[in-house]
Amino acid sequence: GENVEQHPSTLSVQEGDSAVIKCTYSDSASNYFPWYKQELGKRPQLIIDIRSNVGEKKDQRIAVTLNKTAKHFSLHITETQPEDSAVYFCAASKENDYKLSFGAGTTVTVRA
Amino acid sequence: DAGVIQSPRHEVTEMGQEVTLRCKPISGHDYLFWYRQTMMRGLELLIYFNNNVPIDDSGMPEDRFSAKMPNASFSTLKIQPSEPRDSAVYFCASSLGSWRGGNQPQHFGDGTRLSIL
Repeated sequence: GENVEQHPSTLSVQEGDSAVIKCTYSDSASNYFPWYKQELGKRPQLIIDIRSNVGEKKDQRIAVTLNKTAKHFSLHITETQPEDSAVYFCAASKENDYKLSFGAGTTVTVRA
Repeated sequence: DAGVIQSPRHEVTEMGQEVTLRCKPISGHDYLFWYRQTMMRGLELLIYFNNNVPIDDSGMPEDRFSAKMPNASFSTLKIQPSEPRDSAVYFCASSLGSWRGGNQPQHFGDGTRLSIL
């Protein structure tokens, strides 16, 4: 089955700096890659997703890049704010296969 | 939109008791997923349904776990008998089908925090 690895496991950044989280996947047939943010005690919430037919997608301060050849994708958060502090999960799935394989998560702390 | 609704939010029970977790998906969503989240194992998919039919239950850990979806607006996850190692947060999620154009985002409920003493 699909194996998704996520790095780093923890990330501390100064407010206003950028944060980058990287994920690799093993199954070359995977073509859907969502990112979820989970605040303490809350549910995972989708923040952005990307499909294999594009290399990059942006939504305000958040961007995701995908390199299908290398089988890795990354989340970029610019101008970080204290409310960006949370656990972020990457995931991958194949077309018409609804099983999402999740990474282990990255705990992001934004220092004021 | 009310989102995915789960109940109860918290459940504390003694080992050996039956536990029933409930989920109402977003109206119109035809896929429903049950996940378990622990510190050790992260987010694990237990089972998912399409149009009320179980499609993949390979993540269900043991025969003590069972899930049903009697109609499009309700699903249950049962553990009988419960054990302390079942303690976790259980999430339900739902999504539209890919007929909309590719895999669709899964929307999570607030979860049930289960503690087995």
